[in-house]
Amino acid sequence: RKEVEQDPGPFNVPEGATVAFNCTYSNSASQSFFWYRQDCRKEPKLLMSVYSSGNEDGRFTAQLNRASQYISLLIRDSKLSDSATYLCVVNEGGTYKYIFGTGTRLKVLA
Amino acid sequence: EPEVTQTPSHQVTQMGQEVILRCVPISNHLYFYWYRQILGQKVEFLVSFYNNEISEKSEIFDDQFSVERPDGSNFTLKIRSTKLEDSAMYFCASSERSSLASKNIQYFGAGTRLSVL
Repeated sequence: RKEVEQDPGPFNVPEGATVAFNCTYSNSASQSFFWYRQDCRKEPKLLMSVYSSGNEDGRFTAQLNRASQYISLLIRDSKLSDSATYLCVVNEGGTYKYIFGTGTRLKVLA
Repeated sequence: EPEVTQTPSHQVTQMGQEVILRCVPISNHLYFYWYRQILGQKVEFLVSFYNNEISEKSEIFDDQFSVERPDGSNFTLKIRSTKLEDSAMYFCASSERSSLASKNIQYFGAGTRLSVL
């Protein structure tokens, strides 16, 4: 099983749609979880940290399910500017190592 | 807004040459990282660095790689004898807190694209 696994997509959705991505991780000792977005040939930019209780930031909601070892990202009311690759990032527990998923590509269509 | 700065943005080198990639982390950050991303592939962890020491390194970070904080602001990645397969985007990142702490957010530089010919 890969350390951090994501569906690569692409997810093609119309503007205004709601879209959800999942990410699974293999190391049950993982402690910190993040969603980053990456535009083509640019650096990853933090979208949001993922907390145990779940958290929301505007149109974005992140959830963590430790029992099933997955995190999710929900985007409501998609905008054209949301088109990007969404990276799931997991910190291996007790280490200084961060593992990236392959990313899920989102295209929001007009 | 403070940012991580990387230079150069693009480095072209011949196979077998040494390269040094430079990074200026955010000023109050104490933890530094290098990642690479081969075109079309995922971001891969190379090394983390704290208090002038390597905290963690991946299998990719072999003897050809080294990191240094030569002064109070720069953080460098050196590749001693570049190979074709070293061609990639190299990202530097920094964080205020340790990965062992909560809210240990990493901020990334814009990257250096290394092309080995």
